[in-house]
Amino acid sequence: NAGVTQTPKFQVLKTGQSMTLQCAQDMNHEYMSWYRQDPGMGLRLIHYSVGAGITDQGEVPNGYNVSRSTTEDFPLRLLSAAPSQTSVYFCASSYKGWGTDTQYFGPGTRLTVL
Amino acid sequence: DAKTTQPNSMESNEEEPVHLPCNHSTISGTDYIHWYRQLPSQGPEYVIHGLTSNVNNRMASLAIAEDRKSSTLILHRATLRDAAVYYCILRDVLDYGQNFVFGPGTRLSVLP
Repeated sequence: NAGVTQTPKFQVLKTGQSMTLQCAQDMNHEYMSWYRQDPGMGLRLIHYSVGAGITDQGEVPNGYNVSRSTTEDFPLRLLSAAPSQTSVYFCASSYKGWGTDTQYFGPGTRLTVL
Repeated sequence: DAKTTQPNSMESNEEEPVHLPCNHSTISGTDYIHWYRQLPSQGPEYVIHGLTSNVNNRMASLAIAEDRKSSTLILHRATLRDAAVYYCILRDVLDYGQNFVFGPGTRLSVLP
């Protein structure tokens, strides 16, 4: 199993540009989520999904969109990039999303917005 | 979810045991205690979790106080590779579809 994969590893955008961060998992997990991590901080939840076709907002959803058309993929879209979105983005998945489930994280995407 | 409190940083010598504390005085009866760690420039990875009894796995041990208001992650012999930020997280067993709340964690430095 490849686990949770994320592309790209690094990205530089100009203010106002849009882009999509890709996330895929091959463990047939129903729960997937996106976090951002700012320097020296813990992770904050952006959006999550409990299954194909179902998404919900997390703690910091503004400026981001998600969709979940398949179990495997959970892309994160930046609509109009702002310098405040400079961060490291992590995708995670777990079997169902229950409180006892282990979460598996991807390697992250480092995004810089100029 | 109940909150946790961890020291900002700790230091250990290589090949010595490390005890990482976590306080969770408002823990509920259905909260599981999870530990994750984040190595430099990587995503978090699972370490261990438990409810009431002490737990052991190949990576670490988890000692849970009898009143469950605190717990300790034990690395039996620290290696340089164990240098990471360690997060103590509570999740209610009945939670569904919600996230883990990652605080700042404890940054562990391992000295050769």
